[in-house]
Amino acid sequence: GEDVEQSLFLSVREGDSSVINCTYTDSSSTYLYWYKQEPGAGLQLLTYIFSNMDMKQDQRLTVLLNKKDKHLSLRIADTQTGDSAIYFCADLAFNTDKLIFGTGTRLQVFP
Amino acid sequence: EAQVTQNPRYLITVTGKKLTVTCSQNMNHEYMSWYRQDPGLGLRQIYYSMNVEVTDKGDVPEGYKVSRKEKRNFPLILESPSPNQTSLYFCASSSRLAGAGKQYFGPGTRLTVT
Repeated sequence: GEDVEQSLFLSVREGDSSVINCTYTDSSSTYLYWYKQEPGAGLQLLTYIFSNMDMKQDQRLTVLLNKKDKHLSLRIADTQTGDSAIYFCADLAFNTDKLIFGTGTRLQVFP
Repeated sequence: EAQVTQNPRYLITVTGKKLTVTCSQNMNHEYMSWYRQDPGLGLRQIYYSMNVEVTDKGDVPEGYKVSRKEKRNFPLILESPSPNQTSLYFCASSSRLAGAGKQYFGPGTRLTVT
C-alpha cells in the first residue's frame, strides 16, 4: 500500500532555517499536506500543495515538491522556539478520501 | 468557535472494561475519522465516516467499533480494551467540499489500558 516516510528528529538553532523532508510512494497523489502538532494538542493543517505544482510559499513556509522523486519538503525560514512541534507529511491519493500520514518529524529549536 | 471536541481527555482503565470516547464537531462536516498515534508509527486510521449512517474501516479497525447516528457525533467504542490499545486517539472532521485532506483535529484522548 501507500507509504509516507519522514526522519524522526530535527534540531535547529533559533533564527536558522529548518528543512523537513518527506518521501511518498503513491504515484496518484493529488494533494500533499503538512500538519503541525504542538505539545499536548491535536494536529493543525499548516499548508498543502497540489501535485502539479513545484513550489508553494506562504510567509515563512516554503513547500517544495519533486514529483519525479516523490519527495516533499517543508522549509521554515527564521525558525522560532514556537515552531518546536511534530510535523506530519500526509498524502491524499487520487479519488480517495484516505489521508496517509508519515511518522512525523519532531523539530526542536534551541536558543 | 469551530471545533472538534473529545471526551475524556485522559482515561486509565483495566483490560476488558468497555469504554466509549466521544467526539463531536460543530462545523456541520460530513466526514469524520478516528486515528491512533503511537511513537514511531505516526497516525493510523481506525474508522471513518462519510456521512450519517455510513462508516468504514480504516487501517487498524480490530478491537474498535464506531457509530454515526447524528452528523455531529462519532463515538469510538472499545468493547473489551486490551493493553495494546494504549495509545493517543484523535478524532477529526472535514467537509465534503474541502475534502479529506483538510481535516480539523480534536485535542486527543490519552488512553491507558492496564
